[in-house]
Amino acid sequence: TQLLEQSPQFLSIQEGENLTVYCNSSSVFSSLQWYRQEPGEGPVLLVTVVTGGEVKKLKRLTFQFGDARKDSSLHITAAQPGDTGLYLCAGVMDSSYKLIFGSGTRLLVRP
Amino acid sequence: SAVISQKPSRDICQRGTSLTIQCQVDSQVTMMFWYRQQPGQSLTLIATANQGSEATYESGFVIDKFPISRPNLTFSTLTVSNMSPEDSSIYLCSVLGGRGADEQYFGPGTRLTVT
Repeated sequence: TQLLEQSPQFLSIQEGENLTVYCNSSSVFSSLQWYRQEPGEGPVLLVTVVTGGEVKKLKRLTFQFGDARKDSSLHITAAQPGDTGLYLCAGVMDSSYKLIFGSGTRLLVRP
Repeated sequence: SAVISQKPSRDICQRGTSLTIQCQVDSQVTMMFWYRQQPGQSLTLIATANQGSEATYESGFVIDKFPISRPNLTFSTLTVSNMSPEDSSIYLCSVLGGRGADEQYFGPGTRLTVT
């Protein structure tokens, strides 16, 4: 059983479309991180959210941490082919340094 | 953020053999981790590499299969022992650091194929 469930698992969209990726859990996290991984590379940290209800923006990417700190979402506006990759959420539970990774969302943006 | 390199970047090995993967960081870090990423899957933590003491393994991973060394604050190795095709995965090291205490930064990974 995955502690952090991501949906959808796979998303194929046309360039210019918007999309949202969800990361859900029944557990509370002290912080949650989003990574993007491209083939042949390690995950690259995009953002960390720590406060319930927090919203962070990174250019066309908007990240939100749920009020109860159990879930998060990533919204991409006007997706571009360069956004293609595996998106991973990862949470840290209180009193722990360990990252618990979500199941991942594989995004393909077609030109 | 720290710059992390791994060697080798990829390898093809025969079953029954062992492979040692190296992880080098360009600055001293307190905590280093080893992850496995099976084909098409997410990341699973194997162990925390502790400097000067034995690594701390996660459930399902044992020292005999995945011995880890951490001789100093910039270097660690992971050995995959007595390999089988089920060990075919990407192995990644990461370090704790950066702006936030919880943030981890990853190496490029080692793609291992066992035939």
